Amino acid sequence: EAGVVQSPRYKIIEKKQPVAFWCNPISGHNTLYWYLQNLGQGPELLIRYENEEAVDDSQLPKDRFSAERLKGVDSTLKIQPAELGDSAVYLCASSPGDSQETQYFGPGTRLLVL
Amino acid sequence: SQKIEQNSEALNIQEGKTATLTCNYTNYSPAYLQWYRQDPGRGPVFLLLIRENEKEKRKERLKVTFDTTLKQSLFHITASQPADSATYLCALDQTGANNLFFGTGTRLTVIP
Repeated sequence: EAGVVQSPRYKIIEKKQPVAFWCNPISGHNTLYWYLQNLGQGPELLIRYENEEAVDDSQLPKDRFSAERLKGVDSTLKIQPAELGDSAVYLCASSPGDSQETQYFGPGTRLLVL
Repeated sequence: SQKIEQNSEALNIQEGKTATLTCNYTNYSPAYLQWYRQDPGRGPVFLLLIRENEKEKRKERLKVTFDTTLKQSLFHITASQPADSATYLCALDQTGANNLFFGTGTRLTVIP
């Protein structure tokens, strides 16, 4: 079974530029999460989807971050414009839903903003 | 304020010994607690889950305890091996709805 797929794996951009990350969850997983992980820290939730509905986006900085999950499968996270402080690893995770508590993480996208 | 603290940033132990990692939390009432392993350049991988009404869980060389009075979980790796070297993260879910709050992690190094 394929795991959670993320692309790109690495991205270097200049500040004020836009950037987008893509996530393909495990087939059949209804719940999708985007996390931010700074160096030496644990992941922090940005947004959670149940199918195509964002059910928790309270930690998403909505002035510059946006996300979508069309058709309840793949998801895209966008930053526009990027700031220096956005340099971090962006992790996507999925879970089956139906009270299954385990989350399956992708390898992450490492973003460097110059 | 809410905090999840893991005992130390780094822990070095000799191969064959038991590694004990600590997760303490403040101002949470977790329905359950999970432990994940994270290797450099990779996402976290689920290891064990323990519910609030459970005292202990085991899986092969891994053991987790959960004390809701002390607000603490201990994670043990027995007969440690160099391949166990990684960062270990604890994560809490307050509602049982799978919204996880992660600690900062402990980087374990097992020395041959």
